[in-house]
Amino acid sequence: ILNVEQSPQSLHVQEGDSTNFTCSFPSSNFYALHWYRWETAKSPEALFVMTLNGDEKKKGRISATLNTKEGYSYLYIKGSQPEDSATYLCALRDDKIIFGKGTRLHILP
Amino acid sequence: KAGVTQTPRYLIKTRGQQVTLSCSPISGHRSVSWYQQTPGQGLQFLFEYFSETQRNKGNFPGRFSGRQFSNSRSEMNVSTLELGDSALYLCASSLAPTGGYNEQFFGPGTRLTVL
Repeated sequence: ILNVEQSPQSLHVQEGDSTNFTCSFPSSNFYALHWYRWETAKSPEALFVMTLNGDEKKKGRISATLNTKEGYSYLYIKGSQPEDSATYLCALRDDKIIFGKGTRLHILP
Repeated sequence: KAGVTQTPRYLIKTRGQQVTLSCSPISGHRSVSWYQQTPGQGLQFLFEYFSETQRNKGNFPGRFSGRQFSNSRSEMNVSTLELGDSALYLCASSLAPTGGYNEQFFGPGTRLTVL
């Protein structure tokens, strides 16, 4: 794994709207893809561990998909709430763990 | 169950000094990983320990070292500090090595400032 790209870098979303962002990677040679949420002044919190092509995970209003053939994972948030404001990180694990630089999500009231 | 704890939370050192950071994992967790967070580079993997053995190491110079004790507590040491070592250092614990499937739980971090 050479690089993990996340886009967009920053995102402003109106409260109540749904949104999604992307984690891209050049190689499918990894064990798993992790999504984390990192709120300001707190520790990163694990959201999902995704392990198979076509894997989908859901936790409340947040869901994620993984497409290893095309080299991307999407994170979706339905009906954004103020508490969703955070930086969302994805990370790929082979022998080492490589993090993207995150998508900073701001929810506007 | 208590979470991952890190000490100290804040630290100020000068160039050339050395520093030791400590991480206590969640009870029952045997794997500890260390990360460096800087504004420019994001979160970067330093190393991972499991059962007192280093399993993997990131691309950091030899000034960065670590160890794990029999109670799974881990320490990270940085010798000959440089200005660029100023960062937030996070540790994370998991039940088993993060070989893909194991969820990691992060500590609050140690903010190191090198003057």
